[in-house]
Amino acid sequence: EAQLSESGGGLVQPGGSLRLSCAASEFTFSSFGMAWVRQAPGRGLEFVSAISAGGENTYYADSVKGRFTISRDNSKNILYLQMNTLRAADTALYYCAKESGRTKPFDYWGQGTLVTVSS
Amino acid sequence: EIVLTQSPATLSLSPGERATLSCRASQSVSTSLAWYQHKPGQAPRLLISDASNRATGIPARFSGSGSGTDFTLTISSLEPEDFAVYYCQQRHSWWTFGQGTKVEIK
Repeated sequence: EAQLSESGGGLVQPGGSLRLSCAASEFTFSSFGMAWVRQAPGRGLEFVSAISAGGENTYYADSVKGRFTISRDNSKNILYLQMNTLRAADTALYYCAKESGRTKPFDYWGQGTLVTVSS
Repeated sequence: EIVLTQSPATLSLSPGERATLSCRASQSVSTSLAWYQHKPGQAPRLLISDASNRATGIPARFSGSGSGTDFTLTISSLEPEDFAVYYCQQRHSWWTFGQGTKVEIK
């Protein structure tokens, strides 16, 4: 069964930066698209960013475009999310998720890493 | 952007009762619609893909139906572990989630 484990969350001031990581195991990481999905306190799930299996195509929600960068290292089985110019509205639990196939839903999710943006 | 609207926001039911959750898309998503179950402190769990296909290990009491713009998730007889928040998600064009339906114990 696929395993996903996020890390890198924490408390950061508005305008600051963080890099999230998601370590993947028990599946062929390089064969699947991956994504970041977040849940703000008291809110629902929100798509943040996605990347194709080979890393050549990236996608961003309008709310993070130009501030966040998704990337992956298929040699290390790690997904990243570089978050810059953070805002209070970015405070959320960030999940990494594995796509079950092209244009298919997410079949495995991590437990999430909490990002808090506050002064 | 395709908007997904779930109803009701909250469903108050007793164990053993039938739950019917709705998800409506602002434009057709064909059958590219999934359902997830989410409990506090846990990762979301895929229940249904392609509108009606149960994911691996999902009990038969969960079923999905619909196509185009109107979709339904049915839990035929609620078990205590089914009380949670349920989200629909479309993958027809980009990625969009509905706002969720909370199934709570009456």
